[in-house]
Amino acid sequence: SQQGEEDPQALSIQEGENATMNCSYKTSINNLQWYRQNSGRGLVHLILIRSNEREKHSGRLRVTLDTSKKSSSLLITASRAADTASYFCATRDQGAQKLVFGQGTRLTINP
Amino acid sequence: DAGVTQSPTHLIKTRGQHVTLRCSPISGHKSVSWYQQVLGQGPQFIFQYYEKEERGRGNFPDRFSARQFPNYSSELNVNALLLGDSALYLCASADRTGTSSGANVLTFGAGSRLTVL
Repeated sequence: SQQGEEDPQALSIQEGENATMNCSYKTSINNLQWYRQNSGRGLVHLILIRSNEREKHSGRLRVTLDTSKKSSSLLITASRAADTASYFCATRDQGAQKLVFGQGTRLTINP
Repeated sequence: DAGVTQSPTHLIKTRGQHVTLRCSPISGHKSVSWYQQVLGQGPQFIFQYYEKEERGRGNFPDRFSARQFPNYSSELNVNALLLGDSALYLCASADRTGTSSGANVLTFGAGSRLTVL
């Protein structure tokens, strides 16, 4: 079963705007990761945030983590058409081997 | 250096048949995981292997099995295929098992798309 939910399920914005996606999860985690998937191909790792971190940046990406609310958000600034993809959050439970993925947010950037 | 390679990329089977999917991890990576992704859903964990030993198993029936070879490549086998097994099967490799903090960042292959008719 899925760990949590991503919100929104689909998001369509104009190029240059910022895109925000949210992820909620259910259990205590070691870290939370965001992955990107283009057109049903393999997933690409974007960023990892540990459970003791609150915010992390990587280029145009900003990730926040609120362990008290069991939620995370991914912000993509100054979006580009090439950012069109599905974005998934994934959590690793403490002591567990597997990553548990959410259902994803399908992001469309309109030129 | 090659990334994670999977074969075949696409295949069509009929109900009741058997399928074998293959994965070669990134050179030096000893951990291989398999995920099933049904259309419109996130990937679901099937198996993880590390150093040729099974380290984790998801909630899948015994029709699903896997193994890892001495060169760290892996096979996923599915017997008695059902229509519901139609999905993208993703293989991912990592350089460690994921028990240490910050580890378990996965590098995925492009996947094998299985259609069961």
